[in-house]
Amino acid sequence: DQQVKQNSPSLSVQEGRISILNCDYTNSMFDYFLWYKKYPAEGPTFLISISSIKDKNEDGRFTVFLNKSAKHLSLHIVPSQPGDSAVYFCAASAIGSEKLVFGKGTKLTVNP
Amino acid sequence: NAGVTQTPKFQVLKTGQSMTLQCAQDMNHEYMSWYRQDPGMGLRLIHYSVGAGITDQGEVPNGYNVSRSTTEDFPLRLLSAAPSQTSVYFCATSEEFPTANEQFFGPGTRLTVL
Repeated sequence: DQQVKQNSPSLSVQEGRISILNCDYTNSMFDYFLWYKKYPAEGPTFLISISSIKDKNEDGRFTVFLNKSAKHLSLHIVPSQPGDSAVYFCAASAIGSEKLVFGKGTKLTVNP
Repeated sequence: NAGVTQTPKFQVLKTGQSMTLQCAQDMNHEYMSWYRQDPGMGLRLIHYSVGAGITDQGEVPNGYNVSRSTTEDFPLRLLSAAPSQTSVYFCATSEEFPTANEQFFGPGTRLTVL
């Protein structure tokens, strides 16, 4: 059973507009969430994270929102740039766990 | 600093062959892990280590062995390669548990098993 779901395999937006990437989870024990970004032929790189005690975390153009009651989080990129084109993975962890659970990823394409 | 290095970058094996994927880090991180990435499957944890001499299984450990004799190295061994092990393999490290800490990933090894 998939505990972290990224239901949109791909997303295409215009440069300068907002990109919204969504992630849903099923395990109510998850208390920390991370987003990783991956370019082709490279390893993933950490982007931003959020603890369950918060509902928002911002870092420059990137903001992650957490809705615990809906078990949903989203990554907003404003404004989107062509260099943001990559695969974005949502990941979650539970209290006391040593492991991360990753979603399947969403491929973002930002068109000039 | 090199960060996290993986060798080889590419490898083709025949079914039944064995090989070792190398991972080395110079960040003095205690936590190291191996993931595989398959199309439409995301990243799945194979094995991980919380320090030298300590390893544990992840989500998909079957067919793989690991050992951690030093802080720097965490090799992944395929005992008898199968086509189902065709994948891209990533090694990752973090200062502490990756559950609330940034992981640093290597560039990956693309493995094809014929």
